[in-house]
Amino acid sequence: DAEITQSPRHKITETGRQVTLACHQTWNHNNMFWYRQDLGHGLRLIHYSYGVQDTNKGEVSDGYSVSRSNTEDLPLTLESAASSQTSVYFCASSGTPDQETQYFGPGTRLLVL
Amino acid sequence: AQSVAQPEDQVNVAEGNPLTVKCTYSVSGNPYLFWYVQYPNRGLQFLLKYITGDNLVKGSYGFEAEFNKSQTSFHLKKPSALVSDSALYFCVGLRNTGNQFYFGTGTSLTVIP
Repeated sequence: DAEITQSPRHKITETGRQVTLACHQTWNHNNMFWYRQDLGHGLRLIHYSYGVQDTNKGEVSDGYSVSRSNTEDLPLTLESAASSQTSVYFCASSGTPDQETQYFGPGTRLLVL
Repeated sequence: AQSVAQPEDQVNVAEGNPLTVKCTYSVSGNPYLFWYVQYPNRGLQFLLKYITGDNLVKGSYGFEAEFNKSQTSFHLKKPSALVSDSALYFCVGLRNTGNQFYFGTGTSLTVIP
């Protein structure tokens, strides 16, 4: 069955370190998204991609970057981790024939000390 | 500004009673509207969506939602609540001409045995 996975599921890092969170989907979806979930804020969009080599900034993109070298993967990099980036991160994808519906990964819980 | 609001952070209902989780939207044009459910330590799961047509939309696990354009609402309902329905519910809006998803802040539903 097609799925979307994230790794690691839990991560502890120190302030200033570079961290990369992986997202892999086997739906063959063109569209991929990264969100962060914080109490009282719901989900906020960090970056998104509509296809290979396409990346776009979302609502809270500062301090994050993504790259899309193939259809299946959209890794999220925190260039220099900050305590304010402690959060739960969700990857999602969508594609034909149902472009509007997003399918979410299980999430990565990141703690920045 | 575009937004989706869930006015109740917490909803408690007795098992077997009908439940309603409220959502109002401020999304221009003819928006697409979604409900997602999140169980503890899991990603969001799609429940149902409204694109166009019949205002009453039926989804997974016996849930339904009613689109009301005049009241700009999209409330989630279920005739008889189960303990297993206890989870966090998110209402999401999407402009039919855009690519930005607008998430509500979530409503925690507790079904009391």
